[in-house]
Amino acid sequence: EAQVTQNPRYLITVTGKKLTVTCSQNMNHEYMSWYRQDPGLGLRQIYYSMNVEVTDKGDVPEGYKVSRKEKRNFPLILESPSPNQTSLYFCASSSGGGVTEAFFGQGTRLTVV
Amino acid sequence: DAKTTQPNSMESNEEEPVHLPCNHSTISGTDYIHWYRQLPSQGPEYVIHGLTSNVNNRMASLAIAEDRKSSTLILHRATLRDAAVYYCILSKSGGYGTDKLIFGTGTRLQVFP
Repeated sequence: EAQVTQNPRYLITVTGKKLTVTCSQNMNHEYMSWYRQDPGLGLRQIYYSMNVEVTDKGDVPEGYKVSRKEKRNFPLILESPSPNQTSLYFCASSSGGGVTEAFFGQGTRLTVV
Repeated sequence: DAKTTQPNSMESNEEEPVHLPCNHSTISGTDYIHWYRQLPSQGPEYVIHGLTSNVNNRMASLAIAEDRKSSTLILHRATLRDAAVYYCILSKSGGYGTDKLIFGTGTRLQVFP
């Protein structure tokens, strides 16, 4: 079954404590992205990756890092989380950029206190 | 990036057809029209996409105006499971950095038994 898997689904952490949200896809997709969803602002892209070792900033990259060492995995790293990063995060993957179907994970609800 | 405009909310009764409109007057020739939906507590889910011609799949139909400045997502027989937020999105074909789906606030569809 085609799947994008994020972990954890829920996370409460304290300001400044580094965390990683994992994302894995089983479809051999080249494109992967991270989005955050906030009330009234919709989904906004944080970072994206076109292939292994190729990543670039999206619209709201401040405070986040990503890596793409393997095709299937695209972790999102918050080196020093702050309360304004409290949000719902989604990972997505697709095979052909903006012209093909994107598959989204189930989301990670992060609370930073 | 070209923008889309959708009504905030719409209502339908079960088993009736639903026509969800989207305006995208600044669309360019290389922009694809995508529709995604987001059910409560889930990640966005692909519905359909097209470029110029009308498209049909098992979930829905996409009717694209001849001038491409508007489109309509058609759910032929709404079910309770179709209650979701529907997003009309434009994305460009090919090229670096084009794997970006710009989500607006979407249309919240309510379906009544």
